[in-house]
Amino acid sequence: AQTVTQSQPEMSVQEAETVTLSCTYDTSESDYYLFWYKQPPSRQMILVIRQEAYKQQNATENRFSVNFQKAAKSFSLKISDSQLGDAAMYFCAQGGTSYGKLTFGQGTILTVHP
Amino acid sequence: EAGVVQSPRYKIIEKKQPVAFWCNPISGHNTLYWYLQNLGQGPELLIRYENEEAVDDSQLPKDRFSAERLKGVDSTLKIQPAELGDSAVYLCASSLGLHPNEQFFGPGTRLTVL
Repeated sequence: AQTVTQSQPEMSVQEAETVTLSCTYDTSESDYYLFWYKQPPSRQMILVIRQEAYKQQNATENRFSVNFQKAAKSFSLKISDSQLGDAAMYFCAQGGTSYGKLTFGQGTILTVHP
Repeated sequence: EAGVVQSPRYKIIEKKQPVAFWCNPISGHNTLYWYLQNLGQGPELLIRYENEEAVDDSQLPKDRFSAERLKGVDSTLKIQPAELGDSAVYLCASSLGLHPNEQFFGPGTRLTVL
């Protein structure tokens, strides 16, 4: 069974500052992927960043980067130079290569203060 | 390229009434997913289709929920009869294949059962 845990129900950050969202997971798969999705009030789930578990290098996408610690099963998201448009619910998710579904965490609400 | 289309965006019904949700995946995507998202939680998979075949429906409450994907393109999710606890957002996603790093989500349908 796969589980994903986000221990921070809410986080806040000042505009232009940096914030880190935490995620831990558990899986029996040896080959899997990890994702961070953003869900604004419009409900559209938007893929922010993904990490292949077999890659040691942490993924980066512009202002978004991850800290992937495979042994610790930890997958945190760092948002640099936070913008008002970053405010949303963020979900961590895990998917194995032997099945199609994604297992999501409970989400973290990010508030960005001007 | 058009994204995943869902309709309606909102639906309000009385309990015990039937309701149906429609999803049009991204053109060429053979895998289609229906997720249930309760308020303040992450999505949970209800059913996954590979073309027109339901390959994972273990989480679908089959006594009242049904789904179909005729011709392997559009899909319909039905609830009959609806219960108060069915109030949630129903998300549709699609991908090119089983690979979990390519799921694209629609905007969802928010169902309210009174």
